[in-house]
Amino acid sequence: QVQLQESGPGLVKPSQTLSLTCTVSGGSVTSSGYYWSWIRQSPEKGLEWIGYIFYSGSTYYSPSLKSRVSISADTSKNEISLNLRFVTAADTAVYYCARQVMVPTTLAHYFDFWGQGTRVTVSS
Amino acid sequence: QSVLTQPPSASGTPGQGVTISCSGSYSNIGRNTVNWYQQLPGMAPQLLIFGDSQRPSGVPDRFSGSKSGTSASLAISGLQSEDEADYFCAAWDDNVNGRGFVFGTGTTLTVL
Repeated sequence: QVQLQESGPGLVKPSQTLSLTCTVSGGSVTSSGYYWSWIRQSPEKGLEWIGYIFYSGSTYYSPSLKSRVSISADTSKNEISLNLRFVTAADTAVYYCARQVMVPTTLAHYFDFWGQGTRVTVSS
Repeated sequence: QSVLTQPPSASGTPGQGVTISCSGSYSNIGRNTVNWYQQLPGMAPQLLIFGDSQRPSGVPDRFSGSKSGTSASLAISGLQSEDEADYFCAAWDDNVNGRGFVFGTGTTLTVL
């Protein structure tokens, strides 16, 4: 059973960089065919997909966030990281990491395992 | 900013059935498969349905999904108190302005 655990500061000041880590256990971030996504949830915006890193290291970001976001992997620690620059109050949310599956035969995309989430507040 | 539209609430009594709708467009539901997630209070979402109608192992067959055109539905039969949760649909979106996952606005299910 794959397990994901997010960690990072719960409070970030406006204009600074939000940095979170997702530690994966029960599976490898280099397992062939899997994507590792970051998703956030707030009352104002609902669930919002931020982006993913593929097992090969390639990344893809939401068009609305790509100018501020970067996702990377530390394969030695089996971790995925999120950096979101120049944060504002609108970035206040619960941040989740999740494993994303894409079935080649059907092109079905879905998230099969999620972390418990970590709440981040942007405030001075 | 949710791209997929769901009714904000749904309700039913124990043993009854309920259906939750999810409306999108060609670039998402119309050309990609739909997933459904259940979010219990204070918990992370959990996969309920993938590939429009497939259930992961462990999900009761009381939950079923379907899709037609640019709309999808989640049906829950034999409602139980533990089904009280938020339900979200989701799909990959191949929009001309950029690709990505989009989610529904969410439906809060109350078991009366």
